[in-house]
Amino acid sequence: EEQLVESGGGLVQPGGSLRLSCAASEFTLTSEEMNWVRQAPGKGLEWLSYISNLDDTTHTEDSVRGRFSISRDAAKNTVDLQMNSLRPEDTAIYYCARGGKYFDLWGRGTLVTVSS
Amino acid sequence: EIVLTQSPGILSMSPGQRAILSCRASQTVDHSALAWYQQKPGQAPRLLIYAASFRATGVPDRFSGRGSGTDFTLTISRLEPEDFVVYYCQQYARSPRTFGHGTKVEIE
Repeated sequence: EEQLVESGGGLVQPGGSLRLSCAASEFTLTSEEMNWVRQAPGKGLEWLSYISNLDDTTHTEDSVRGRFSISRDAAKNTVDLQMNSLRPEDTAIYYCARGGKYFDLWGRGTLVTVSS
Repeated sequence: EIVLTQSPGILSMSPGQRAILSCRASQTVDHSALAWYQQKPGQAPRLLIYAASFRATGVPDRFSGRGSGTDFTLTISRLEPEDFVVYYCQQYARSPRTFGHGTKVEIE
């Protein structure tokens, strides 16, 4: 069964950094367009960032551009999200999701808490 | 960006009834590039519908979608107990991809 598994979440102080990873089983991430989407506690879904499967072109949502960056590690078969200058409002569950348009496979998410 | 407004925010229904959820876009969603997701508590979203009306693999046929332009609906023909959760619409006609704020279907 195809699965995505996120890791790397945790508690971080404001201004700190975290690197999230998304690993896949039963398929190769390098062949797929991938995204990061987050959900603040009790809130809706917010798309954050996308990476192409053709040339690793990336797109990042305006509110986190310059602080968050998506990348691919082909050797590890992961897609990562580097998050810098974290703010309390970045507290959320972070999901990786497959797809270039709609998202047909999601991981279970990893919780990021930004608090002092 | 395209803003999606879902209504109602909460839909109170009984098992066996038909539920109709609405998603209205602030601009035309070209090519009916709209998807619907279901999210159960503590779980990741699950794709139900894409291209406004195509069911994803394994989705029961009691779920159907329709619409074009700026107005889209998700219909659940006969509510099962496991359907009383939250539903989101998402457009992929333009970047950034955006989601509606969700409709919670609750037991009346």
